[in-house]
Amino acid sequence: AQSVTQLDSHVSVSEGTPVLLRCNYSSSYSPSLFWYVQHPNKGLQLLLKYTSAATLVKGINGFEAEFKKSETSFHLTKPSAHMSDAAEYFCVVREDNYGQNFVFGPGTRLSVLP
Amino acid sequence: EAGVAQSPRYKIIEKRQSVAFWCNPISGHATLYWYQQILGQGPKLLIQFQNNGVVDDSQLPKDRFSAERLKGVDSTLKIQPAKLEDSAVYLCASSRTHEQYFGPGTRLTVT
Repeated sequence: AQSVTQLDSHVSVSEGTPVLLRCNYSSSYSPSLFWYVQHPNKGLQLLLKYTSAATLVKGINGFEAEFKKSETSFHLTKPSAHMSDAAEYFCVVREDNYGQNFVFGPGTRLSVLP
Repeated sequence: EAGVAQSPRYKIIEKRQSVAFWCNPISGHATLYWYQQILGQGPKLLIQFQNNGVVDDSQLPKDRFSAERLKGVDSTLKIQPAKLEDSAVYLCASSRTHEQYFGPGTRLTVT
């Protein structure tokens, strides 16, 4: 069975500085990996996804993530944080078998300081 | 294309009452999911449908929760009777291939 660990429950950065949100996963099969963002009182929005193509994945709003199989990691990065990036971020793993079962990590709350 | 629709957006009930949530997925999406998201936690899968059949309901508290997806389109999630710990946001999502698309959720408060 698959599982997701998000190593930080809360990350705080200053506006204009880099963002790093860490995610490690375990999976018995070849996984697909996703990052979702959830702004307060808003629905979940897909930031980016990895589905066995290029290991460096670019998403919306300047975010990107790199799939590292040897480290079982899928960390989310952004070169320069913006105030509007403050939100909750979820790493999600899906095993590429019949079940299409998506498993969410516990989330990382990103705060951006002026 | 229209997104995933959910109603109601908010619901307040007393414990031991019943409540139902409705979801209309994106047209053509065969897979439909119901998640429970408790404040401060990630979404937890309650039930997954493929067309109108159940694929996974291992985390659904079947003594009080039920769900159906008639005709493989709309879905209803019901809680009867509700407990205080059921206070959460209930999210519906649908997918066709690799991506899930989420509705806005229903925020349930049980008093």
